[in-house]
Amino acid sequence: HSVLTQPPSVSGAPGQRVTISCTGSSSNIGAGYDVHWYQQLPGTAPKLLIYYNTHRPSGVPDRFSGSKSGTSASLAITGLQAEDEADYYCQSYDSSLSGSGVFGTGTKVTVL
Amino acid sequence: EVQLVESGGGLVQPGGSLRLSCAASGFTFNNYAMSWVRQAPGKGLEWVSSTSGSGSSTYYADSVKGRFTISRDNSKNTLYLQMNSLRAEDTAVYYCAKDGVGATIGLGLIDYWGQGTLVTVSS
Repeated sequence: HSVLTQPPSVSGAPGQRVTISCTGSSSNIGAGYDVHWYQQLPGTAPKLLIYYNTHRPSGVPDRFSGSKSGTSASLAITGLQAEDEADYYCQSYDSSLSGSGVFGTGTKVTVL
Repeated sequence: EVQLVESGGGLVQPGGSLRLSCAASGFTFNNYAMSWVRQAPGKGLEWVSSTSGSGSSTYYADSVKGRFTISRDNSKNTLYLQMNSLRAEDTAVYYCAKDGVGATIGLGLIDYWGQGTLVTVSS
């Protein structure tokens, strides 16, 4: 089971703002480890969306933004568009686990 | 342009073996750690294994430790995953992933993903 918890689904109408939470603990986000976000469109591989909590790779619209506070992080999508309908995953590092990273449980964003 | 192309997936019986390959291009391969990440049908992402740029350091998820072996051939710009003693729960799409920072196995940032290869373990 994942140590990073996300809501299974969120939805919004076109143009609205939605947020996705990523809740961790003192051994991952709360320990100061960075959070990254990935977008997975239906039937495709994941794509890096936000890195180091708040940074957008080249080509990612500024409608997407990330934040981090305490043991949680959030991804916000403003001006929701139909093409934003996808699965979103947060990722961080957990010092209690072996390896290079841990993913969140994933959130399905539905555009109504 | 960075490209990661996986191959080697397919149908295998429980207890069987399979070797996945990932051909990389568009970047200096030995300068970056590489990972395998899998996704079971209808499920979320699960990190499987990582290797440093030189291949001297490796990490494995507890679920595959002792059964899977990650390796790389830097002369061929290719990443491998040898999977032995396969179980039904190993059924998934396996993605090859490039570390977003450098050669040391880091804190998980992935900046490029392959398209994935499907492994099905069933009798």
